[in-house]
Amino acid sequence: AQSVTQLDSQVPVFEEAPVELRCNYSSSVSVYLFWYVQYPNQGLQLLLKYLSGSTLVKGINGFEAEFNKSQTSFHLRKPSVHISDTAEYFCAVSDWDYKLSFGAGTTVTVRA
Amino acid sequence: DAGVIQSPRHEVTEMGQEVTLRCKPISGHDYLFWYRQTMMRGLELLIYFNNNVPIDDSGMPEDRFSAKMPNASFSTLKIQPSEPRDSAVYFCASSPGQMYGYTFGSGTRLTVV
Repeated sequence: AQSVTQLDSQVPVFEEAPVELRCNYSSSVSVYLFWYVQYPNQGLQLLLKYLSGSTLVKGINGFEAEFNKSQTSFHLRKPSVHISDTAEYFCAVSDWDYKLSFGAGTTVTVRA
Repeated sequence: DAGVIQSPRHEVTEMGQEVTLRCKPISGHDYLFWYRQTMMRGLELLIYFNNNVPIDDSGMPEDRFSAKMPNASFSTLKIQPSEPRDSAVYFCASSPGQMYGYTFGSGTRLTVV
C-alpha cells in the first residue's frame, strides 16, 4: 500500500494570502493522486485529481496542484484564500489495488 | 443525485450493544468503501466491495466488525458487541472506478459509552 505524508499538520493563514499544502507519497510507480477537503461535521469532498498528462491540475474553489514525479510530490496551492477555506485537507494516493491511502490531513485556519 | 446516503448521522450506544450503520451508494457506482476516522489514527479503510462482493477486508479491526452488501444499493457495517474504543466517525464512499476518486457520505458519528 502507498504511504502518504502531509508535511504540515496545521497551517494558519491570513485572508487573501496564498497557501501551499505539501504532500509526498512513497511510490515511484504510476499512481493516481487526489486532494480532498473536509469541512466541520461533513464528509470529504473531491477538490482535484491527477491521472496523467499536464502536471498542473486545476480544481474547484480556485485550488490547483502540481505533480512532481521525480520528487514524488503533489502540493496543493491557492493564490488567495477566503475565510470559507477554513477546513481540513487530505492528500490521497491510489495505485493498482483501487484503494485510496490518505495522509494525516492538514488543518487550514484562515484569519481575517 | 442525492449522493451517498448514510444513516444514522449520530449513534450513541452502551458498551456491549450491537450497532448497525447503513449506506446507500450512488446508483451505478460499482465500488463501495467503509472508512473509520479518529483523531489518533486518521482515516482507515475497513473494507471495500466491488459489484457487491467483498474484495479486501484486511482493515476490519477484529471479528466484532462485519460488513455486508446484499445488493447494489445497500450496505451495512455491524459492530457486535460494541466497545468504547469503537467511538469514531464512520464514512461510506462509493466510486464508479479508480480514476474517478470517491464520493463520500456525511458519515455516522458513533459514541459508545
